[in-house]
Amino acid sequence: GENVEQHPSTLSVQEGDSAVIKCTYSDSASNYFPWYKQELGKRPQLIIDIRSNVGEKKDQRIAVTLNKTAKHFSLHITETQPEDSAVYFCAASFFNKFYFGSGTKLNVKP
Amino acid sequence: NAGVTQTPKFQVLKTGQSMTLQCAQDMNHNSMYWYRQDPGMGLRLIYYSASEGTTDKGEVPNGYNVSRLNKREFSLRLESAAPSQTSVYFCASSEALNEAFFGQGTRLTVV
Repeated sequence: GENVEQHPSTLSVQEGDSAVIKCTYSDSASNYFPWYKQELGKRPQLIIDIRSNVGEKKDQRIAVTLNKTAKHFSLHITETQPEDSAVYFCAASFFNKFYFGSGTKLNVKP
Repeated sequence: NAGVTQTPKFQVLKTGQSMTLQCAQDMNHNSMYWYRQDPGMGLRLIYYSASEGTTDKGEVPNGYNVSRLNKREFSLRLESAAPSQTSVYFCASSEALNEAFFGQGTRLTVV
């Protein structure tokens, strides 16, 4: 199977600052890398994803980068806002099974 | 369009009791999943179904069984519940190389 590691486990930033969350994966056959946001008591919801044939993708304040050679991918959130506070999960899809990182609790201080 | 629907939302079981968690999706997805979420451990895959009639073990399958009844429904059964199975359970569905959609979750406590 696949092994996904995610860092840091907690991240505290000031409103307006940037936040970066990093993940590594173990199997080079993984080909799809989604990021999910989970608010307290809610289900995980997709915020951005990237496929293995793309190196970078951006959607407004959120961007994801993928380095297939190094087997790592990162989530970048710019101009953070209090409503960005949540737990973020990276995932790697290996033969259509999703393997998740352990999560990053992001706290954006007003 | 309801997406992925799980029942029940909450459940308390005594050690040794059995129960089935139900999941249904209306997005015509082939793939369905069951995950458990424990604090600090992310979402761990219990079982996976690539299509109707097929199932495959995930990372933590011990103590669970599943049934892919048809394309829409994928159930998870605990035959003899143990305190270690106290967790939040999520069902999800997807199509290849696309996002997984999650149900609202089932909070299970085994006492």
